[in-house]
Amino acid sequence: GENVEQHPSTLSVQEGDSAVIKCTYSDSASNYFPWYKQELGKRPQLIIDIRSNVGEKKDQRIAVTLNKTAKHFSLHITETQPEDSAVYFCAGAIPPYGGSQGNLIFGKGTKLSVKP
Amino acid sequence: DAGVIQSPRHEVTEMGQEVTLRCKPISGHNSLFWYRQTMMRGLELLIYFNNNVPIDDSGMPEDRFSAKMPNASFSTLKIQPSEPRDSAVYFCASSLSRDSTNTGELFFGEGSRLTVL
Repeated sequence: GENVEQHPSTLSVQEGDSAVIKCTYSDSASNYFPWYKQELGKRPQLIIDIRSNVGEKKDQRIAVTLNKTAKHFSLHITETQPEDSAVYFCAGAIPPYGGSQGNLIFGKGTKLSVKP
Repeated sequence: DAGVIQSPRHEVTEMGQEVTLRCKPISGHNSLFWYRQTMMRGLELLIYFNNNVPIDDSGMPEDRFSAKMPNASFSTLKIQPSEPRDSAVYFCASSLSRDSTNTGELFFGEGSRLTVL
């Protein structure tokens, strides 16, 4: 089955700096890679996603890149702000079979701290 | 829509007791997922349903865990008997899969924090 590895487990940056979180996946059939943000005590929420037919996607200060050959994808946050402090999870999904919904396998998470 | 609704938000119980967690997915969503979150293991998929049918329960840790989805608007996760190592936050999530190749966004509930003493 799919295995998703995420690094680093913790990341501390100064406000205004960039933050990069990297993930690798094991199954080359995976075709969907979302990123979820979980603030302390709250639910995970989708912030950006990318599909395997795209190499990069941007949404304001957030971008995600995908290297299918190397089987890794990364989250880039520029001009970090204190409210970016949270745990970020990457995930990979294999296409569903038999018409059913595929499932997401999450990385272990990265705790990002942005210091003012 | 109120989003995915889970109950209870917090549960404290003693080892050996039965625990039932409940979930109401977003209306119209056709997939429902149960995840368990701990510091050590992160977010683990326990089971997921598509159109009320269990598709993959390989993440269910033991026979003590069971899940049902009797209709499109309700699911339960039951632990019987509970053990201290079951202590975790249990999230329910739902999504809409528009076709057989489209993995949709997961919408998580607030989670149920379980403590087994």
